[in-house]
Amino acid sequence: DGGITQSPKYLFRKEGQNVTLSCEQNLNHDAMYWYRQDPGQGLRLIYYSQIVNDFQKGDIAEGYSVSREKKESFPLTVTSAQKNPTAFYLCASSTRQGAVSYGYTFGSGTRLTVV
Amino acid sequence: GESVGLHLPTLSVQEGDNSIINCAYSNSASDYFIWYKQESGKGPQFIIDIRSNMDKRQGQRVTVLLNKTVKHLSLQIAATQPGDSAVYFCAESFQAGTALIFGKGTTLSVSS
Repeated sequence: DGGITQSPKYLFRKEGQNVTLSCEQNLNHDAMYWYRQDPGQGLRLIYYSQIVNDFQKGDIAEGYSVSREKKESFPLTVTSAQKNPTAFYLCASSTRQGAVSYGYTFGSGTRLTVV
Repeated sequence: GESVGLHLPTLSVQEGDNSIINCAYSNSASDYFIWYKQESGKGPQFIIDIRSNMDKRQGQRVTVLLNKTVKHLSLQIAATQPGDSAVYFCAESFQAGTALIFGKGTTLSVSS
C-alpha cells in the first residue's frame, strides 16, 4: 500500500544533541512538508520541498535543517540551536501539478522529548 | 444539532446530534479547501475537500459548505458518533504543491 512513514514514533534527545527524524513516502508525490504541533495547538510549518534538491523555510525554520536528495525522502534534523524542541512532528506529502485534489497525506508523527 | 457561529476551540455534543464546526480562512485567492480529522497521537486524516467553484459538497455523513463572500468554511457531521471525537482542522491552498494554511482546530467531544 502507498503511504508515508515517519520514524521513530518516539524520540528522546539530550540537551545539546542533534537528532534526525525520518520521513519516507512511496506515493510518488513531488512535494513534502514538515510541521510542528504543540499541545492544543495547530500545525506550524517548518520546511517544505517542492522538488528534489530544493526546499524552502516555513514559519519556524530556526533551529531545524532538512535535505531532499531523493524524491521519496525528506529527513528533518532538529539541531541544538532549537531551544524548545519538545513537540509532535508531522511529515506530509502532496502531488504538485495538474491534480484534481492536492491535499496532504500525513505520516503518523514523531513525538520528540528533550530529557 | 449543535452549532457555533464563530470558531470555538471546543464543541461538545450528544451522540446522534448533528455537529457543525466553523472555520474562517485567510486568503481570498485560496481556491481549494480541506477538512482534516486528527485523533490523539496520530497524524491528521483527510475527511473532505471542496474547490472554490462549489459552495457545497457532501460525503458520507459529512458536508462541507463554503461561503467565499465572508471567507467562511464549515463542516457538518450528521448523527455524530463517539468515534467522531477528535480535533478537526480546516486548511486552505491557492496552488498545488504549496504549503497548506491550517486553521486553529476545534476539539469535538461526543458523549454517549
